[in-house]
Amino acid sequence: DTAVSQTPKYLVTQMGNDKSIKCEQNLGHDTMYWYKQDSKKFLKIMFSYNNKELIINETVPNRFSPKSPDKAHLNLHINSLELGDSAVYFCASSQGPGAGLGTQYFGPGTRLTVL
Amino acid sequence: AQSVAQPEDQVNVAEGNPLTVKCTYSVSGNPYLFWYVQYPNRGLQFLLKYITGDNLVKGSYGFEAEFNKSQTSFHLKKPSALVSDSALYFCAVRDAASGGYNKLIFGAGTRLAVHP
Repeated sequence: DTAVSQTPKYLVTQMGNDKSIKCEQNLGHDTMYWYKQDSKKFLKIMFSYNNKELIINETVPNRFSPKSPDKAHLNLHINSLELGDSAVYFCASSQGPGAGLGTQYFGPGTRLTVL
Repeated sequence: AQSVAQPEDQVNVAEGNPLTVKCTYSVSGNPYLFWYVQYPNRGLQFLLKYITGDNLVKGSYGFEAEFNKSQTSFHLKKPSALVSDSALYFCAVRDAASGGYNKLIFGAGTRLAVHP
């Protein structure tokens, strides 16, 4: 009965590789998010999708490409990984804007380590 | 620019004592404020939120927060701390410029350590 799930939990890879992180939510929410938490625990939003449409796109290198095949899934693909991409990536979901100020519910995180 | 400040990197408190984790904010318009908790190697868990209404908001695990408009603060409190409350606490404010969407701006986090 996991609400927001992410795979994989840990990802260790070499610089220059391409990798994907998957996120799924079973809460029936319309809006999903990707956050990056750096080594100092600072948390910043990267992207948000509402009903498969991109609505928030922060200043993120275009090596990062989110994809939402349906409103229950939001994947994050990263090309040409760099050392600075090492972080914990969190997926979250909430009700859409029409439902008022929905609380965001977070997944367990994916710890990405780039060597 | 909208922002959230958590002035303390760490708060230490003895078990059974009251605890306060501080948060101040700067937003245009009405603030929508949140507290989340992160246990080690876990995702963030929602504690409580303020949108409108009563200035004292009650949340999960016995936590509450007091909204103070004049001081632009939203401090998290608990009357009696437990060792299991030890975690990283984040205050967040909704970015008013995000329109109807829910873009949150997070503070840097405060580590709460409750000692037996």
